[in-house]
Amino acid sequence: EPEVTQTPSHQVTQMGQEVILRCVPISNHLYFYWYRQILGQKVEFLVSFYNNEISEKSEIFDDQFSVERPDGSNFTLKIRSTKLEDSAMYFCASSPGLAGAVGELFFGEGSRLTVL
Amino acid sequence: GQNIDQPTEMTATEGAIVQINCTYQTSGFNGLFWYQQHAGEAPTFLSYNVLDGLEEKGRFSSFLSRSKGYSYLLLKELQMKDSASYLCAVRDYDRDDKIIFGKGTRLHILP
Repeated sequence: EPEVTQTPSHQVTQMGQEVILRCVPISNHLYFYWYRQILGQKVEFLVSFYNNEISEKSEIFDDQFSVERPDGSNFTLKIRSTKLEDSAMYFCASSPGLAGAVGELFFGEGSRLTVL
Repeated sequence: GQNIDQPTEMTATEGAIVQINCTYQTSGFNGLFWYQQHAGEAPTFLSYNVLDGLEEKGRFSSFLSRSKGYSYLLLKELQMKDSASYLCAVRDYDRDDKIIFGKGTRLHILP
């Protein structure tokens, strides 16, 4: 069964360092998302991406964050200068479509980011 | 804006039935989802409602009333493996159809 894959599963970094989290969405999906979940808290929307551009972003997704789809398969989240409060599980998700479809999200297993 | 409310924690007994409620307020309702999340794992899709009524899928059922901004997830014949968080999520067409999650309800199953 096709699945969303994420790497790395866990990354530890120093405050101020740049981090890139990688995702390979399900191949025929059109919509891509990043969510994050701080330990013990809710799953929070960061950004959605469609047709090679950001379609929606939350207030969390400030100038320190960027997303890219550098080729036909990868979808990356970059955090330019990490802060302690960026420590969280980052989930990538993809969806086959919206119009006329359920549009359920298929989540990857997540990348746990620890900022020291 | 959006607001999704669900109880923080619930406890039920193995073999019993439990109902997890969710109320929401959103300007452009375009569907409600229930996801299951085991500790340390990704959310997994359980159900989707966009019209009023009950959707049944095995031991799990989900109900929606759009006029009341209300949904519930019903779990029957509870098993120990059902111990997890249950996330209510709403899609909003006023926000480019993004899916926003509630805080989740942590369900504890007792033997």
